[in-house]
Order: sequence, then structure tokens, then C-alpha cells
Amino acid sequence: IQLTQSPSLLSASVGDRVTLSCEGSQNINNYLAWYQQKLGEAPKLLIFNTNSLQTGIPSRFSGSGSGTDYTLTISSLQPEDVATYFCYQYNNGWTFGGGTKLELK
Amino acid sequence: QVTLKESGPGILQPSQTLSLTCTFSGFSLSTYGMGVGWIRQPSGKGLEWLANIWWDDDKYYNPSLKNRLTISKDTSTSQAFFKISTVDTTDTATYYCARISRDVMDAWGQGASVTVSS
Repeated sequence: IQLTQSPSLLSASVGDRVTLSCEGSQNINNYLAWYQQKLGEAPKLLIFNTNSLQTGIPSRFSGSGSGTDYTLTISSLQPEDVATYFCYQYNNGWTFGGGTKLELK
Repeated sequence: QVTLKESGPGILQPSQTLSLTCTFSGFSLSTYGMGVGWIRQPSGKGLEWLANIWWDDDKYYNPSLKNRLTISKDTSTSQAFFKISTVDTTDTATYYCARISRDVMDAWGQGASVTVSS
């Protein structure tokens, strides 16, 4: 399964509601996770099984979707959210999306 | 607390075999449902899944690299091992190991930088 993330680069202001998209080439059956990777750090799990928030992750992060289309939403962007975000499917094999780089406007 | 740490050679020459070790704590690879995965990331680029090994010694490899990859584990020492044979410059990357729990990679090591250069 191929994963396509859009946009590849997103500029937003503090407090903005931000939406990142991930589209699969086949049905992912909700086996979709989101990772946040800050510069120089390892990826961190944010969301698994489409919409389950990993322990310790702020509630401003949420996930949704079904079938082939999935979304990560940040309800109110904070400066510490600047990072690259990757989606990841584990329904059929294991693959990562190409990433969305989120920067402050 | 779950921790993982990768170790490797740092630099190696083309055609050599890359050997990496993941030493972990806070979980057991003999526990039902647990696994360890390997992922790599060339500098400035995206993540590439490489291989998984499970509690029951089941193994899965990235099809595009399968012939070159070997994954194994030693539950008595809480380590997982990963090898790539016949490396070239395109294998230069940061290599991560991660715990797999409930089918997702929920804890990652800090990464090991590997450079292939003559």
C-alpha cells in the first residue's frame, strides 16, 4: 500500500486549526497511525488505529478517517508543534507516507 | 519505562555487511504480541520500513530489499539484530529500531547513523 501525504509543506500561525491528509492506494481498514518528528529527534507516536490518542499526547491532536482517506488535526497550533508528520499503515504490510513539514507562518 | 538503543559501525565500505544491534529494556520480546521493527531515514528524507520480528520469531521484510536483509533476536539479552548485505552509498541513513505493541511502533530508539563510503 502506497501512502500519499498532502500538503508536503504547510505554513500556519499559532492558534490555527491545522489539517494534514494521508491517502492510501488501497483500503487501510483504519490501521493508520501518525508520527511527529522534530528536527534531530526520533519519530514519536501520536495517534494509532486512526483516532486513538497515544498516552501523554496533548488532546489538541486528533485523527479521523476511513477507507483510503485519513486526517490528522491539530485544533490549536502551538510553537512546539513545528515538526514533520508521517502517516503509517499496518493493514497490509507496513509503509510510511512521505511526510508533511509543518512550519510557523 | 521502555527504552531502545541502536548500535552499529558508524562507517563502512561498499560491498560490506552492515550489522546493527538494538538493545532494549522495559519489555520482553517473548511476550505475546510484541515485536521489534527496523526503519531507516536518509538525511533530510522520509522514513522507510525495513523489517519486523515478532515474539514468536515470525519475520517480515521490505520486499524491495528482502534478499539483502536479515533480522533476528535474543530474548535472553533483550536484543534484536539487523543486517544488510552488500551495502552501497544508497544505504547511508539513520537506522532506528522500535518496539511494536498493538501492531504499532510505539517507542523508538535514538537512531544510529550509518555512512557507506569508500
